[in-house]
Amino acid sequence: EDQVTQSPEALRLQEGESSSLNCSYTVSGLRGLFWYRQDPGKGPEFLFTLYSAGEEKEKERLKATLTKKESFLHITAPKPEDSATYLCAVPRFSSGTYKYIFGTGTRLKVLA
Amino acid sequence: DTEVTQTPKHLVMGMTNKKSLKCEQHMGHRAMYWYKQKAKKPPELMFVYSYEKLSINESVPSRFSPECPNSSLLNLHLHALQPEDSALYLCASSQEGAWTEAFFGQGTRLTVV
Repeated sequence: EDQVTQSPEALRLQEGESSSLNCSYTVSGLRGLFWYRQDPGKGPEFLFTLYSAGEEKEKERLKATLTKKESFLHITAPKPEDSATYLCAVPRFSSGTYKYIFGTGTRLKVLA
Repeated sequence: DTEVTQTPKHLVMGMTNKKSLKCEQHMGHRAMYWYKQKAKKPPELMFVYSYEKLSINESVPSRFSPECPNSSLLNLHLHALQPEDSALYLCASSQEGAWTEAFFGQGTRLTVV
């Protein structure tokens, strides 16, 4: 069965303390992996799309990487404003159309 | 412009009411989605319109009814909801199907009393 698993579930960092979030997937024939950031009570904000193993994307303090089994979201020198839930998603073909499978998310808290 | 606009932002309704949620995008996207999200859970797909063809998540109760008047607009009609339907309802769109990134609206916070 296709699955997307994120770890850790929650992460507390001091400001400036770099770390990585993990997104593992078991989807045959991967057709992309997406990262989102979600603030409480708001819709997810698109961050990155990765399509092939070895691909990397960067935006400010965030860097996303992809292997054949997992993706990492590296956060370098985080600031309190980076506190949010980070979600990854992959597309799966089911019932005649593609749907996104979301991981359960990593809740990140960056302390000043 | 990657904006998806949802109205209203907040909605309180009784269990006998009928209401509608609205969503609009002007990015020329051909797929639009309704998601339901409970606290500390990921978004859960309810409905997909891809090239104006509806795909249903069979676990969604019939008290939720989607409508896609045209490729830019998506509605979710609500009738006889239950308190457990209280959640954040999210609309999203993507250029093609789910193999392209989706852009989400800010959501409608629905409370059923």
